[in-house]
Amino acid sequence: GAVVSQHPSWVICKSGTSVKIECRSLDFQATTMFWYRQFPKQSLMLMATSNEGSKATYEQGVEKDKFLINHASLTLSTLTVTSAHPEDSSFYICSANENGVGNEQFFGPGTRLTVL
Amino acid sequence: GESVGLHLPTLSVQEGDNSIINCAYSNSASDYFIWYKQESGKGPQFIIDIRSNMDKRQGQRVTVLLNKTVKHLSLQIAATQPGDSAVYFCAENAGGTSYGKLTFGQGTILTVHP
Repeated sequence: GAVVSQHPSWVICKSGTSVKIECRSLDFQATTMFWYRQFPKQSLMLMATSNEGSKATYEQGVEKDKFLINHASLTLSTLTVTSAHPEDSSFYICSANENGVGNEQFFGPGTRLTVL
Repeated sequence: GESVGLHLPTLSVQEGDNSIINCAYSNSASDYFIWYKQESGKGPQFIIDIRSNMDKRQGQRVTVLLNKTVKHLSLQIAATQPGDSAVYFCAENAGGTSYGKLTFGQGTILTVHP
């Protein structure tokens, strides 16, 4: 199946700094990618839909100025957590639809963010 | 942040038994449903999907049943193995303008004892 990678797999940062997480579709093109957040022992919550070449669409309650999304190419979307706080500590997961191939989404391995 | 006191449903079975994991979905307009397996510290892994024009679909050792009348989805795993231990999530997609957007259920922790 199609492969989605994320980098880094884990990151620890100080409060107030910004962290960038990359999501790449390795062997397919994805006009649309999705970013999720998952707190311990909870389900995945969709944060935003990342659209190549246009602005991301954020879910209700997600601050677009805090979670900056850039989808500059058909294989790369980035999520930048700006001015991170301890409550932003979470597991961030991206997924991607292969262009023109049904509904199936392929998920990345996730990025564990810890803000001290 | 994390909700204090939140506990995922759990299911414990013996190796070789059949497992049934249930899920209630919320949106009657949803037309595509997926079951995912998530191991600790990893992203969700696709197991099986079903469209709303079907009520049953079978894969290798897994079967998904869809009851649109009561908005219920189930995952049956035959001859459960220790490697099946994980958290299982159902997800729904409403299609239309929400194409691709998935809403995940709360998840069920499956533990398989040797």
